[in-house]
Amino acid sequence: GAGVSQTPSNKVTEKGKYVELRCDPISGHTALYWYRQSLGQGPEFLIYFQGTGAADDSGLPNDRFFAVRPEGSVSTLKIQRTERGDSAVYLCASSLTGASRETQYFGPGTRLLVL
Amino acid sequence: AQKVTQAQTEISVVEKEDVTLDCVYETRDTTYYLFWYKQPPSGELVFLIRRNSFDEQNEISGRYSWNFQKSTSSFNFTITASQVVDSAVYFCALSGASSGGSYIPTFGRGTSLIVHP
Repeated sequence: GAGVSQTPSNKVTEKGKYVELRCDPISGHTALYWYRQSLGQGPEFLIYFQGTGAADDSGLPNDRFFAVRPEGSVSTLKIQRTERGDSAVYLCASSLTGASRETQYFGPGTRLLVL
Repeated sequence: AQKVTQAQTEISVVEKEDVTLDCVYETRDTTYYLFWYKQPPSGELVFLIRRNSFDEQNEISGRYSWNFQKSTSSFNFTITASQVVDSAVYFCALSGASSGGSYIPTFGRGTSLIVHP
């Protein structure tokens, strides 16, 4: 498809487990963003990639969260030792170059539930 | 630090009514961008509009209009003759420099709009 895709759509895991969430941005977009959205809240920034490198990871809450984008396209958000408080919708967005004026295009999100 | 406040948590209207969603922002940046996104029940955020801090002209797009008032730090969104399909959560966002130096949007908490037939 032409839009941002995310897999899986839903993920249920147990506390303490490791999870990986995948994002496939719009083809040709060099900038990729991860956000977390809790119920009743707006998206909260986690990390921003420019190409293969993490240009800004100031939003990652702690060292259990890590993300990679090895070939500058698909990105994986990795959460170690999951906690119940990690339950949220994880959104991915991409934009053409990452310039401040650009619009970000969002995927449908992955709903993570940690039991 | 930047902040976006959407004071209206939920608004309920009857179809064909006009409705205004409020957005107030705070930033120390002189150059910034304001956005509105729509999030229908499917969950995907849909871009509606972008405004830069130097352009205070109001904009109209069909039934949608936006009122940017720099003097009051507000960027309000009006839907004229609302329709059931307008039911969604609407987010206002401000793009300014993050603590890491990049331009990352800060989102408000959203306003849930319910349009009854």
